[in-house]
Amino acid sequence: EADIYQTPRYLVIGTGKKITLECSQTMGHDKMYWYQQDPGMELHLIHYSYGVNSTEKGDLSSESTVSRIRTEHFPLTLESARPSHTSQYLCASSLPGTHRNEQFFGPGTRLTVL
Amino acid sequence: AQRVTQPEKLLSVFKGAPVELKCNYSYSGSPELFWYVQYSRQRLQLLLRHISRESIKGFTADLNKGETSFHLKKPFAQEEDSAMYYCALGGSQGNLIFGKGTKLSVKP
Repeated sequence: EADIYQTPRYLVIGTGKKITLECSQTMGHDKMYWYQQDPGMELHLIHYSYGVNSTEKGDLSSESTVSRIRTEHFPLTLESARPSHTSQYLCASSLPGTHRNEQFFGPGTRLTVL
Repeated sequence: AQRVTQPEKLLSVFKGAPVELKCNYSYSGSPELFWYVQYSRQRLQLLLRHISRESIKGFTADLNKGETSFHLKKPFAQEEDSAMYYCALGGSQGNLIFGKGTKLSVKP
């Protein structure tokens, strides 16, 4: 079934650890995005990708990095987690063309850094 | 600057009452606007896109370029409509710019 997956769904980790949040989609979409969302607040774009080997920074500055080696996979990495990184991270994808701004979202990863 | 404003953080209505969730935007070009909804413990999902001029689950939204608004309306609210609603603007880079969201609570 075509979908967008995120793992883990919940992660509690100590300060200084390296973490990778996984995002995969089986929808055949070219564009993928990472958003950060604090509780009760709006979503902020932190990274996006137009396709393989393409990565761009979003509107909100983030210490995280991303890679896009395969079309379906768009992982986000934090080299050294800090409490300020505690948030929900949402992955999304979209098709190019007429509905290029219409995005499909994964279930999210809720990250807590102690 | 591209911006989306949802002035109400929380909107509480009784079942059967009309509901209007407000959304104003700032965009210099021709806007592409969406409403997304997030039900409890579910992922964010698309509810409406302005370009389709559709009605989904009884909700409609009309783009008013003069007032730069895209308010979401439903004539008779149902309890299952309780959720977080986000208005979003398509950005020039293919991204979405979200408002802060409005929590709709429909009481029995």
